[in-house]
Amino acid sequence: KQEVTQIPAALSVPEGENLVLNCSFTDSAIYNLQWFRQDPGKGLTSLLLIQSSQREQTSGRLNASLDKSSGRSTLYIAASQPGDSATYLCAPSNDYKLSFGAGTTVTVRA
Amino acid sequence: GAGVSQSPSNKVTEKGKDVELRCDPISGHTALYWYRQRLGQGLEFLIYFQGNSAPDKSGLPSDRFSAERTGESVSTLTIQRTQQEDSAVYLCASSFRGTGSGNTIYFGEGSWLTVV
Repeated sequence: KQEVTQIPAALSVPEGENLVLNCSFTDSAIYNLQWFRQDPGKGLTSLLLIQSSQREQTSGRLNASLDKSSGRSTLYIAASQPGDSATYLCAPSNDYKLSFGAGTTVTVRA
Repeated sequence: GAGVSQSPSNKVTEKGKDVELRCDPISGHTALYWYRQRLGQGLEFLIYFQGNSAPDKSGLPSDRFSAERTGESVSTLTIQRTQQEDSAVYLCASSFRGTGSGNTIYFGEGSWLTVV
């Protein structure tokens, strides 16, 4: 069974600071890995999808890296803004099944 | 619709009653998932439907839980004889084929279930 750990569990930073969110997983035989954002009382929004053959993926201020062999992924958010405050979830995919970590809750202070 | 639609958005039920939750996926998406998220915890996989293939029910926690899907459209998740530990948000998601093909998965806003 895939186990996913996200560190830290919570993070509070002043606006403008860069964010680094870590994810580790136990089963490296993944097809891809997705990062999601969850806002309170809302569903999940997919931010980035990295294929297992890729090392990183970028979208705007977001950059995600993947080291499949060591079972790690990192999400970088540059120049954080208060609107980035949310819970970020990492989800590796073994075929069609996504496994989720408990998430990192980010607060960006204005 | 434009996104994954779930109903009801909130449901309060008495212990022992049956509940039915509905999911309307994005049109054209053959893959449909149900996940459960208890307060302060991660998402737990419940069931996966892909086209006309037999569903993967390996995540259903007990025989009180069942789910159906009509073709490639609406799905219903039924919980019989609800217990307090069933209180959670139930999230439905869909994708064009499964996520293993590199397809983005889209989630609904969830059905919040409270068993009293």
